[in-house]
Amino acid sequence: GQNIDQPTEMTATEGAIVQINCTYQTSGFNGLFWYQQHAGEAPTFLSYNVLDGLEEKGRFSSFLSRSKGYSYLLLKELQMKDSASYLCAISGGYNKLIFGAGTRLAVHP
Amino acid sequence: EPEVTQTPSHQVTQMGQEVILRCVPISNHLYFYWYRQILGQKVEFLVSFYNNEISEKSEIFDDQFSVERPDGSNFTLKIRSTKLEDSAMYFCASSEGTSGRGETQYFGPGTRLLVL
Repeated sequence: GQNIDQPTEMTATEGAIVQINCTYQTSGFNGLFWYQQHAGEAPTFLSYNVLDGLEEKGRFSSFLSRSKGYSYLLLKELQMKDSASYLCAISGGYNKLIFGAGTRLAVHP
Repeated sequence: EPEVTQTPSHQVTQMGQEVILRCVPISNHLYFYWYRQILGQKVEFLVSFYNNEISEKSEIFDDQFSVERPDGSNFTLKIRSTKLEDSAMYFCASSEGTSGRGETQYFGPGTRLLVL
């Protein structure tokens, strides 16, 4: 089976850095995705890791350790518009995504 | 930038009625998906579709559900006899379908279904 854990809520200050952790257990692994979801909207793709290490994309970076079943999403120079839910998802099977419950991030001035 | 579109944005139906949710995937994508998200809960995989057949489905996707690609652009999800617990946001997604597994999926804006 599959199990994905991430913190329910986090708060951070505008301009700061925040790290959102995700741990997982899975029987099939084709990579780990991070999506952003604003309330009432669709998930939008942020990053993908299939090999161990850090992937950097502008203000967002994502890290993966397959041996530890661990990933994190790092958001730098936080802006108010980054207030959203961040979804960790495992790609397994024939491309199906298994999502965690999401971490609701609140950025305050 | 190409995007996945879905219609309708909202649908209200009576329990026991059939509903059809429509999606237009990104035009050169070959892999299509349906997910649902009950209010306040996580996004759940329903079904994936490739080469005109179902690739994989979850235990949620029982006999009440079906998918179809009726023409070259549309991808539909039919719920035959809706139940109260089918109330959710339904997302369609697509991916290129060329690189095997672990492809990035792009989501449509969703259809919010309310069953009364």
